[in-house]
Amino acid sequence: DAKTTQPNSMESNEEEPVHLPCNHSTISGTDYIHWYRQLPSQGPEYVIHGLTSNVNNRMASLAIAEDRKSSTLILHRATLRDAAVYYCILSSNTGNQFYFGTGTSLTVIP
Amino acid sequence: KAGVTQTPRYLIKTRGQQVTLSCSPISGHRSVSWYQQTPGQGLQFLFEYFSETQRNKGNFPGRFSGRQFSNSRSEMNVSTLELGDSALYLCASSLQGPRFNEQFFGPGTRLTVL
Repeated sequence: DAKTTQPNSMESNEEEPVHLPCNHSTISGTDYIHWYRQLPSQGPEYVIHGLTSNVNNRMASLAIAEDRKSSTLILHRATLRDAAVYYCILSSNTGNQFYFGTGTSLTVIP
Repeated sequence: KAGVTQTPRYLIKTRGQQVTLSCSPISGHRSVSWYQQTPGQGLQFLFEYFSETQRNKGNFPGRFSGRQFSNSRSEMNVSTLELGDSALYLCASSLQGPRFNEQFFGPGTRLTVL
């Protein structure tokens, strides 16, 4: 299964944008890029996903590099409720196990 | 719209016993996936069921099994429990599968093996 690499932790000031990076150099042409987050004591929550083009929704934006070997989750204005572990996941059309990895623990500073 | 429900929420078993966990997906969702979460290993994919068929499987021993019923409800069974099976077991449902659609996670079942 294709794997992703994320920093273990990041900090952001409240009300500022946050850019969470993810490297996936072994991505194949049909792998989707997914982002989920897990708040303390809760199950994971879907954030966004995409294939090739940049994606926007009410929660965040996903910027995908032209070669697709990396992507960035953008939270436009961090709030204290955004403090969570953010997981970048690749899914393929063959033998997909939806591997979560270790994620990035985001701390939002008031 | 009701969310994903899991029963029971907490369970205590002893080594060697078996356990069955239940998951009711969101109405209309045909895919149910199961995950194990532990402090040491993080979130690990167990398996995914779609229309009563196991479509994907993670790297877990055969003691872990599951099934899905015609109403999309799913059960997960762990036989011959080991101490290392203590974990939070999460199920997630989606319309067509985690690859294409967002997954909605339930609150989890906390299993403790003594």
